[in-house]
Amino acid sequence: DAKTTQPPSMDCAEGRAANLPCNHSTISGNEYVYWYRQIHSQGPQYIIHGLKNNETNEMASLIITEDRKSSTLILPHATLRDTAVYYCIVRARFYNQGGKLIFGQGTELSVKP
Amino acid sequence: DVKVTQSSRYLVKRTGEKVFLECVQDMDHENMFWYRQDPGLGLRLIYFSYDVKMKEKGDIPEGYSVSREKKERFSLILESASTNQTSMYLCASSPLLNTEAFFGQGTRLTVV
Repeated sequence: DAKTTQPPSMDCAEGRAANLPCNHSTISGNEYVYWYRQIHSQGPQYIIHGLKNNETNEMASLIITEDRKSSTLILPHATLRDTAVYYCIVRARFYNQGGKLIFGQGTELSVKP
Repeated sequence: DVKVTQSSRYLVKRTGEKVFLECVQDMDHENMFWYRQDPGLGLRLIYFSYDVKMKEKGDIPEGYSVSREKKERFSLILESASTNQTSMYLCASSPLLNTEAFFGQGTRLTVV
């Protein structure tokens, strides 16, 4: 079973920041938070991951709460091409610690003009 | 650019046929995965492999088997295809240690 909870859908205006929340209240100390997205008819695409510190790359920022029970993915200036299903996943570092990549239902983000 | 290549984008097979879905990665990754994706059910893990000749069942292995004879290739086998195996199949690979996984474009399999 997926260990994360995400809203099923969200809307965002083009050019505005998109903030996608994720709850992972049962996360354990060796588990990372990953974000992927899937644009229609394509394979999922990696966005970002983190353990406990906030992370930023060219695509997005990841904010993890101090207790690590929730996180927020931020797309700073959403474009129409960011319309996709966004998946939040918790994953252990090594395969023998449960390091499989298990997807939940995700959040369908619609960026509107 | 890293690449995960699935042998077919679209495939139509008959009920009872043996079906092979092939996946090749060019990144020397240890881990490889097979998922299926269905509307309303999301991506579900069928099998994964963390080394050559090693495999582990995912959440829905029934009706499937896998083969990993070489590090770069991971095959999904439907021993006797059934209509409920009509789905989008996605292959992925990742290094052994914690990092991103790369996905192929998917194979849309229809069993008639």
